[in-house]
Amino acid sequence: NAGVTQTPKFQVLKTGQSMTLQCAQDMNHEYMSWYRQDPGMGLRLIHYSVGAGITDQGEVPNGYNVSRSTTEDFPLRLLSAAPSQTSVYFCASSRTMTGVDTEAFFGQGTRLTVV
Amino acid sequence: DAKTTQPTSMDCAEGRAANLPCNHSTISGNEYVYWYRQIHSQGPQYIIHGLKNNETNEMASLIITEDRKSSTLILPHATLRDTAVYYCIVVRMNTGFQKLVFGTGTRLLVSP
Repeated sequence: NAGVTQTPKFQVLKTGQSMTLQCAQDMNHEYMSWYRQDPGMGLRLIHYSVGAGITDQGEVPNGYNVSRSTTEDFPLRLLSAAPSQTSVYFCASSRTMTGVDTEAFFGQGTRLTVV
Repeated sequence: DAKTTQPTSMDCAEGRAANLPCNHSTISGNEYVYWYRQIHSQGPQYIIHGLKNNETNEMASLIITEDRKSSTLILPHATLRDTAVYYCIVVRMNTGFQKLVFGTGTRLLVSP
């Protein structure tokens, strides 16, 4: 059981470049989300999805796009990377039980550096 | 969502119980207490959650005071692998996606 898989694990980008962080889960979870974690801080929500075709913004959505074409995948796109987006990115998925969210399962993270 | 207050850091000897406190004095009746931990730079890991009754699973026990204004996560026999940052999070249980609001947590150091 792979759980939540994120790729790549590490990435260095130049300012202005674009890239996509991949996230896949094999637990048939409806809910998926992206968080970023900066040094010494807790995780902050970027975007989330409650099902295929449905996405919404979190706390810090600027500079990021998402889409959810399948239940399994939830990619995060950086349109034009900036040094302020240097961070560790975590993808999470969670199951629902009669429509109520339960515990979240997190991937191992993508460490992104923008120079 | 209710805010939480946790000590910045705690120490525990290996084999002893680790008791991690959390204050959530503004918690509402439909809000649960969740605990996650983050080992080194890994993704957060769910530990346990509860509403008002004490809960126990294979990882830990959760003790919630009768007035629900505070709780304690108990790791009964801490090991070196329990060294991590522990997050106490209050989550409103409505239908739909629950946004997790992570604070800075408690850094637990388990020593030999």
